[in-house]
Amino acid sequence: SQQGEEDPQALSIQEGENATMNCSYKTSINNLQWYRQNSGRGLVHLILIRSNEREKHSGRLRVTLDTSKKSSSLLITASRAADTASYFCATDAIIQKSPWGKYGQNFVFGPGTRLSVLP
Amino acid sequence: DAGITQSPRHKVTETGTPVTLRCHQTENHRYMYWYRQDPGHGLRLIHYSYGVKDTDKGEVSDGYSVSRSKTEDFLLTLESATSSQTSVYFCAISINNEQFFGPGTRLTVL
Repeated sequence: SQQGEEDPQALSIQEGENATMNCSYKTSINNLQWYRQNSGRGLVHLILIRSNEREKHSGRLRVTLDTSKKSSSLLITASRAADTASYFCATDAIIQKSPWGKYGQNFVFGPGTRLSVLP
Repeated sequence: DAGITQSPRHKVTETGTPVTLRCHQTENHRYMYWYRQDPGHGLRLIHYSYGVKDTDKGEVSDGYSVSRSKTEDFLLTLESATSSQTSVYFCAISINNEQFFGPGTRLTVL
Protein backbone atom coordinates (compact mmCIF):
# COMPACT_ATOMS: atom_id res chain seq x y z
CA SER A 1 0.00 0.00 0.00
CA GLN A 2 1.07 3.58 -0.48
CA GLN A 3 3.21 5.42 2.00
CA GLY A 4 1.12 8.60 1.87
CA GLU A 5 -2.63 8.76 2.20
CA GLU A 6 -4.50 12.03 1.84
CA ASP A 7 -7.72 12.84 3.57
CA PRO A 8 -10.31 13.82 2.51
CA GLN A 9 -10.44 12.42 -1.00
CA ALA A 10 -12.50 15.38 -2.13
CA LEU A 11 -13.23 18.77 -0.60
CA SER A 12 -15.57 21.48 -1.80
CA ILE A 13 -15.52 24.96 -0.25
CA GLN A 14 -16.54 28.52 -1.01
CA GLU A 15 -14.07 31.17 -2.13
CA GLY A 16 -12.52 32.91 0.87
CA GLU A 17 -12.78 29.89 3.15
CA ASN A 18 -9.80 27.91 4.38
CA ALA A 19 -9.06 24.43 3.06
CA THR A 20 -7.33 21.79 5.16
CA MET A 21 -6.00 18.54 3.78
CA ASN A 22 -4.31 15.80 5.76
CA CYS A 23 -1.70 13.22 4.91
CA SER A 24 -0.65 10.13 6.83
CA TYR A 25 2.34 7.95 6.17
CA LYS A 26 3.77 4.73 7.54
CA THR A 27 7.55 4.70 7.74
CA SER A 28 10.37 7.05 8.65
CA ILE A 29 10.97 9.88 6.20
CA ASN A 30 13.56 12.48 5.34
CA ASN A 31 11.11 15.05 4.00
CA LEU A 32 7.44 15.45 3.26
CA GLN A 33 6.27 17.53 0.36
CA TRP A 34 3.02 18.79 -1.07
CA TYR A 35 2.32 19.05 -4.76
CA ARG A 36 -0.51 20.50 -6.78
CA GLN A 37 -1.89 19.22 -10.07
CA ASN A 38 -4.25 21.04 -12.34
CA SER A 39 -6.39 18.88 -14.56
CA GLY A 40 -4.40 17.29 -17.39
CA ARG A 41 -1.09 18.76 -16.25
CA GLY A 42 2.00 17.55 -14.42
CA LEU A 43 2.48 18.04 -10.70
CA VAL A 44 3.94 21.27 -9.38
CA HIS A 45 5.92 21.43 -6.15
CA LEU A 46 4.36 23.61 -3.45
CA ILE A 47 6.30 23.19 -0.25
CA LEU A 48 8.77 20.86 1.50
CA ILE A 49 8.99 20.26 5.22
CA ARG A 50 11.91 18.37 6.70
CA SER A 51 11.51 15.66 9.28
CA ASN A 52 13.01 17.89 11.99
CA GLU A 53 10.60 20.76 11.26
CA ARG A 54 7.11 21.09 12.71
CA GLU A 55 5.59 23.93 10.72
CA LYS A 56 6.33 25.84 7.56
CA HIS A 57 4.67 28.71 5.74
CA SER A 58 4.71 29.84 2.14
CA GLY A 59 2.34 32.62 1.17
CA ARG A 60 -1.18 31.34 1.84
CA LEU A 61 0.09 27.82 2.53
CA ARG A 62 0.79 26.42 5.96
CA VAL A 63 2.15 22.91 6.42
CA THR A 64 2.50 21.07 9.69
CA LEU A 65 4.31 17.83 10.37
CA ASP A 66 3.86 15.51 13.35
CA THR A 67 6.41 12.73 13.07
CA SER A 68 5.10 11.02 16.22
CA LYS A 69 1.74 10.58 14.52
CA LYS A 70 3.25 10.21 11.05
CA SER A 71 0.93 12.86 9.70
CA SER A 72 0.98 16.22 7.96
CA SER A 73 -1.58 18.83 7.10
CA LEU A 74 -1.76 21.43 4.37
CA LEU A 75 -3.80 24.55 5.04
CA ILE A 76 -4.69 26.93 2.24
CA THR A 77 -6.04 30.18 3.65
CA ALA A 78 -8.44 32.55 1.90
CA SER A 79 -8.97 30.13 -0.95
CA ARG A 80 -9.56 31.28 -4.51
CA ALA A 81 -11.25 29.63 -7.46
CA ALA A 82 -7.78 29.28 -8.99
CA ASP A 83 -6.82 26.96 -6.11
CA THR A 84 -9.12 24.32 -7.59
CA ALA A 85 -6.83 21.35 -8.24
CA SER A 86 -5.71 18.04 -6.83
CA TYR A 87 -3.21 18.10 -4.00
CA PHE A 88 -0.77 15.31 -3.25
CA CYS A 89 1.58 14.64 -0.40
CA ALA A 90 4.82 12.83 -1.07
CA THR A 91 7.37 11.35 1.27
CA ASP A 92 10.95 10.55 0.42
CA ALA A 93 13.61 8.34 1.85
CA ILE A 94 17.23 7.78 0.99
CA ILE A 95 17.92 4.20 0.03
CA GLN A 96 21.43 2.85 0.44
CA LYS A 97 22.27 0.86 -2.63
CA SER A 98 25.86 -0.18 -2.09
CA PRO A 99 28.59 -0.19 0.55
CA TRP A 100 30.56 2.46 -1.32
CA GLY A 101 27.80 5.00 -0.88
CA LYS A 102 25.83 4.99 -4.09
CA TYR A 103 22.25 5.68 -3.13
CA GLY A 104 18.86 6.34 -4.57
CA GLN A 105 16.10 8.62 -3.44
CA ASN A 106 12.65 7.14 -3.49
CA PHE A 107 9.47 9.26 -3.49
CA VAL A 108 6.05 7.89 -2.61
CA PHE A 109 2.87 9.82 -3.39
CA GLY A 110 -0.55 9.55 -1.85
CA PRO A 111 -3.74 9.27 -3.94
CA GLY A 112 -4.52 12.97 -3.58
CA THR A 113 -7.27 15.31 -2.42
CA ARG A 114 -9.45 16.90 -5.06
CA LEU A 115 -10.18 20.50 -3.97
CA SER A 116 -12.97 22.49 -5.56
CA VAL A 117 -13.24 26.17 -4.67
CA LEU A 118 -16.60 27.58 -5.68
CA PRO A 119 -16.90 31.27 -6.61
CA ASP B 1 9.41 22.76 -16.07
CA ALA B 2 13.17 22.31 -15.47
CA GLY B 3 13.72 21.46 -19.13
CA ILE B 4 11.89 18.14 -19.08
CA THR B 5 10.21 16.87 -22.20
CA GLN B 6 8.36 13.65 -22.84
CA SER B 7 7.66 11.96 -26.13
CA PRO B 8 5.29 11.02 -27.47
CA ARG B 9 2.63 13.07 -25.64
CA HIS B 10 -0.17 10.77 -26.78
CA LYS B 11 -0.08 7.23 -28.07
CA VAL B 12 -2.66 4.61 -28.93
CA THR B 13 -1.40 1.10 -29.41
CA GLU B 14 -2.65 -2.46 -29.46
CA THR B 15 -2.24 -5.18 -26.89
CA GLY B 16 0.98 -7.11 -27.35
CA THR B 17 2.95 -4.42 -29.11
CA PRO B 18 6.14 -2.93 -27.65
CA VAL B 19 6.07 0.72 -26.63
CA THR B 20 8.90 3.02 -25.63
CA LEU B 21 8.37 6.35 -23.92
CA ARG B 22 11.17 8.88 -23.76
CA CYS B 23 12.00 11.39 -21.07
CA HIS B 24 14.60 14.02 -21.89
CA GLN B 25 16.16 16.60 -19.61
CA THR B 26 18.54 19.37 -20.56
CA GLU B 27 20.35 20.04 -17.29
CA ASN B 28 22.28 16.84 -16.43
CA HIS B 29 20.38 16.05 -13.26
CA ARG B 30 21.25 12.77 -11.66
CA TYR B 31 17.90 11.44 -10.48
CA MET B 32 15.11 10.60 -12.90
CA TYR B 33 11.80 8.82 -12.30
CA TRP B 34 8.93 7.26 -14.17
CA TYR B 35 5.45 7.26 -12.64
CA ARG B 36 2.05 6.23 -13.80
CA GLN B 37 -1.09 8.03 -12.69
CA ASP B 38 -4.46 6.33 -12.52
CA PRO B 39 -7.74 7.46 -10.96
CA GLY B 40 -7.87 6.63 -7.26
CA HIS B 41 -4.17 5.76 -7.06
CA GLY B 42 -2.33 9.02 -7.41
CA LEU B 43 1.18 8.60 -8.76
CA ARG B 44 2.87 5.25 -8.48
CA LEU B 45 6.56 4.82 -9.05
CA ILE B 46 7.52 2.44 -11.85
CA HIS B 47 11.30 2.76 -12.00
CA TYR B 48 13.88 5.34 -11.08
CA SER B 49 17.47 6.08 -11.94
CA TYR B 50 20.23 7.57 -9.84
CA GLY B 51 22.80 7.79 -12.60
CA VAL B 52 23.78 6.46 -15.99
CA LYS B 53 23.10 2.72 -16.07
CA ASP B 54 21.96 2.83 -12.42
CA THR B 55 18.28 2.04 -12.15
CA ASP B 56 15.99 0.41 -9.64
CA LYS B 57 12.45 -0.86 -9.45
CA GLY B 58 9.58 1.05 -7.95
CA GLU B 59 6.21 -0.01 -6.62
CA VAL B 60 4.68 -1.11 -9.94
CA SER B 61 7.59 -2.25 -12.08
CA ASP B 62 6.12 -5.50 -13.47
CA GLY B 63 5.76 -5.31 -17.25
CA TYR B 64 8.12 -2.33 -17.54
CA SER B 65 11.81 -1.94 -18.18
CA VAL B 66 13.98 1.15 -18.30
CA SER B 67 17.30 2.21 -19.68
CA ARG B 68 19.56 5.17 -19.08
CA SER B 69 22.57 5.09 -21.36
CA LYS B 70 23.19 8.83 -21.04
CA THR B 71 22.36 11.39 -18.39
CA GLU B 72 19.77 13.30 -20.36
CA ASP B 73 17.54 10.43 -21.48
CA PHE B 74 15.50 7.95 -19.44
CA LEU B 75 13.53 5.46 -21.52
CA LEU B 76 10.54 3.46 -20.32
CA THR B 77 9.67 0.35 -22.32
CA LEU B 78 6.56 -1.77 -22.24
CA GLU B 79 7.80 -5.00 -23.80
CA SER B 80 4.30 -6.24 -24.60
CA ALA B 81 1.62 -3.69 -23.81
CA THR B 82 -1.52 -4.75 -21.97
CA SER B 83 -4.79 -2.91 -21.44
CA SER B 84 -3.93 -2.53 -17.74
CA GLN B 85 -1.05 -0.30 -18.80
CA THR B 86 -3.42 2.30 -20.18
CA SER B 87 -2.50 5.30 -18.08
CA VAL B 88 -0.88 8.69 -17.98
CA TYR B 89 2.88 8.41 -17.55
CA PHE B 90 4.94 11.15 -15.95
CA CYS B 91 8.65 11.53 -15.92
CA ALA B 92 10.32 13.54 -13.17
CA ILE B 93 13.72 14.71 -12.05
CA SER B 94 14.81 15.46 -8.52
CA ILE B 95 16.67 18.61 -7.56
CA ASN B 96 17.50 19.25 -3.89
CA ASN B 97 14.76 16.87 -2.77
CA GLU B 98 12.11 18.50 -4.95
CA GLN B 99 10.62 16.75 -7.93
CA PHE B 100 9.95 18.48 -11.22
CA PHE B 101 7.61 16.80 -13.64
CA GLY B 102 7.32 16.54 -17.37
CA PRO B 103 4.02 17.21 -19.15
CA GLY B 104 3.00 13.56 -19.25
CA THR B 105 2.27 10.94 -21.89
CA ARG B 106 -1.24 9.60 -22.29
CA LEU B 107 -1.02 5.97 -23.38
CA THR B 108 -4.02 3.95 -24.48
CA VAL B 109 -3.66 0.22 -25.04
CA LEU B 110 -6.58 -1.25 -26.99
